Amino acid sequence: GAGVSQSPSNKVTEKGKDVELRCDPISGHTALYWYRQSLGQGLEFLIYFQGNSAPDKSGLPSDRFSAERTGGSVSTLTIQRTQQEDSAVYLCASSLGQNPHEKLFFGSGTQLSVL
Amino acid sequence: RKEVEQDPGPFNVPEGATVAFNCTYSNSASQSFFWYRQDCRKEPKLLMSVYSSGNEDGRFTAQLNRASQYISLLIRDSKLSDSATYLCAVNSPNDYKLSFGAGTTVTVRA
Repeated sequence: GAGVSQSPSNKVTEKGKDVELRCDPISGHTALYWYRQSLGQGLEFLIYFQGNSAPDKSGLPSDRFSAERTGGSVSTLTIQRTQQEDSAVYLCASSLGQNPHEKLFFGSGTQLSVL
Repeated sequence: RKEVEQDPGPFNVPEGATVAFNCTYSNSASQSFFWYRQDCRKEPKLLMSVYSSGNEDGRFTAQLNRASQYISLLIRDSKLSDSATYLCAVNSPNDYKLSFGAGTTVTVRA
């Protein structure tokens, strides 16, 4: 079956521009996560959705970052007025969402480069 | 102190060798523990969950030491294909967030 799909796979943008990153989770998965990974670094948690609601937004690094999820499915991460330090791989993951012990399935990520 | 810390390595080992490394976590109430594998420029994939009693999956053995707050991964009879970065992940109590370490890089040479 289809896995977690992310688009675009690569995005190059100029400093100050807005970008939107999309995540299509595995069908039926109610939990959706956004992480980012800078070169040589671990995964930094950004935000978690259960259904359409985001009980945990604690990881969003600034108010330039926002995310939404509609229909309990697709999620969009928006970064406004991008800065060079936003350059990273943005990873989306989903799980069935029944309990905290479940396996996360990751998408292949969006490589964001801010020039 | 970071929630999850790992020795970054790299661990360079010959084929057939045994390699082991640890991951420490700061929250004593953490409940769920995992090892993920990440190949270069790829997404992380679950390697194995770590259970209280320890568990084995083929050549891979995971252990949990709650008293000292660390988990370990041991790879026996290393293969070239085991070369990757191994990320440990720990679940925060009462929520669904997985906190990841920065990864331990293992390179198996012929």
